[in-house]
Amino acid sequence: SQQGEEDPQALSIQEGENATMNCSYKTSINNLQWYRQNSGRGLVHLILIRSNEREKHSGRLRVTLDTSKKSSSLLITASRAADTASYFCATDLYFGNEKLTFGTGTRLTIIP
Amino acid sequence: GAVVSQHPSWVICKSGTSVKIECRSLDFQATTMFWYRQFPKQSLMLMATSNEGSKATYEQGVEKDKFLINHASLTLSTLTVTSAHPEDSSFYICSARGLALTGELFFGEGSRLTVL
Repeated sequence: SQQGEEDPQALSIQEGENATMNCSYKTSINNLQWYRQNSGRGLVHLILIRSNEREKHSGRLRVTLDTSKKSSSLLITASRAADTASYFCATDLYFGNEKLTFGTGTRLTIIP
Repeated sequence: GAVVSQHPSWVICKSGTSVKIECRSLDFQATTMFWYRQFPKQSLMLMATSNEGSKATYEQGVEKDKFLINHASLTLSTLTVTSAHPEDSSFYICSARGLALTGELFFGEGSRLTVL
C-alpha cells in the first residue's frame, strides 16, 4: 500500500517559475526522500531529509519536513524545461529498515 | 554515486514463455536489492526484496512461483517472469542501497516487458 500521497498529481508551469510539490504520509519515519523519474527511465535520488531536520537545500531544490503534520514539500526554483519529470517522495520507516515506500508521484511539466 | 545496471531495457515475448531480467551493481556490493513494478503513470510497487545467498522476501500478493528472484552474488540479482501472460506486461525496476547505507536507493534504468 502507498505510504505517501503527493499533491498535486500533475503540475504544469512556465519555465523560470517555481514548482512546489507536497507529500503526505501516514506513519512515523526515519527519513523521507525525494526521487525524480524521467519518462520510461529509472529513478534518481534527489535529496534525503531526516526526521529531526526541518529543511534542507540542494542547488535549486528545497525540501521541508513537518513531522507533526506528516508532510513534506519539494520546491524547485527557477524551473527549466529539463526539470520535466515525475517526482516521488519515499519514506524510510526506521533506521536499518531496508524498504522504501513510494508515494503516488507528481508529474511536472515545464513549458518552455 | 553507485551505479546499477539493468538488462534488457526492453523485451517483447510470446505468451507462455519466460523472461529473465538482470540487475547488477557495477561499482559496489549489494547484499540487498529490490524489485519494483510500475504501471503507466503510477507509482512503484515493491514486489520483493532480494537477499544475497538466501531466498527473496516477497510482498503480499506477489506470486513467488510467477516471479522468480535469484541473488547469486553480491553484484547480481535476477528476476524471471515465468510463463508470462499479457497482464505481466509492465515496467520492472531494480534498486539497491549503497554500502555507505546513507539511506538512498540507486536504481537501474528499468526493463519494459511486453507480452504478446
